[in-house]
Amino acid sequence: DAGVTQSPTHLIKTRGQQVTLRCSPKSGHDTVSWYQQALGQGPQFIFQYYEEEERQRGNFPDRFSGHQFPNYSSELNVNALLLGDSALYLCASSSVSGLTYGYTFGSGTRLTVV
Amino acid sequence: LAKTTQPISMDSYEGQEVNITCSHNNIATNDYITWYQQFPSQGPRFIIQGYKTKVTNEVASLFIPADRKSSTLSLPRVSLSDTAVYYCLVGGAYSGAGSYQLTFGKGTKLSVIP
Repeated sequence: DAGVTQSPTHLIKTRGQQVTLRCSPKSGHDTVSWYQQALGQGPQFIFQYYEEEERQRGNFPDRFSGHQFPNYSSELNVNALLLGDSALYLCASSSVSGLTYGYTFGSGTRLTVV
Repeated sequence: LAKTTQPISMDSYEGQEVNITCSHNNIATNDYITWYQQFPSQGPRFIIQGYKTKVTNEVASLFIPADRKSSTLSLPRVSLSDTAVYYCLVGGAYSGAGSYQLTFGKGTKLSVIP
């Protein structure tokens, strides 16, 4: 049973560029959340998607946007990249019941902005 | 959301029991306490969750006093592979109950020494 799959694993982009990160949830999960984790910090909630709609959003600017597809997979898009966007981006899947112990995280995408 | 306070780091020798305490003075009546573990370059992984008294699973024990203003994660006989960051989270057991996000602090970096 596959867990959460994220791609790519590493990415280097230039300031001002745009990036798309992808996530396939664990089998049986229908909800996808995205987190940003800066070096030495805990993960910070970006947003969560359920039924192809954004259900809740954390304190992140509109440059961060997302999408969920009918197969429950999801994309995170970041426009006009800043140096400060360099971080590990984590995808977590869960079921709609939302049990806080039911989150499964992927290994993340390491984004470096130069 | 209840704020949590944990030690930034801890060191332990292999084979010892490790106790990591988390303070959450303003925990709400319907809040649960959840602990996640994160290895380098991986996403967080659920360890244990509890509401009051003591919870034990195959990995750890969670001790919660009657006033629930703190909790202690206990790892029996740690090994080198337990070196990781441990996060204490406080919130509803069902993230759909008004809040869909997991709120992470900076966590406790546990280093197990041979």
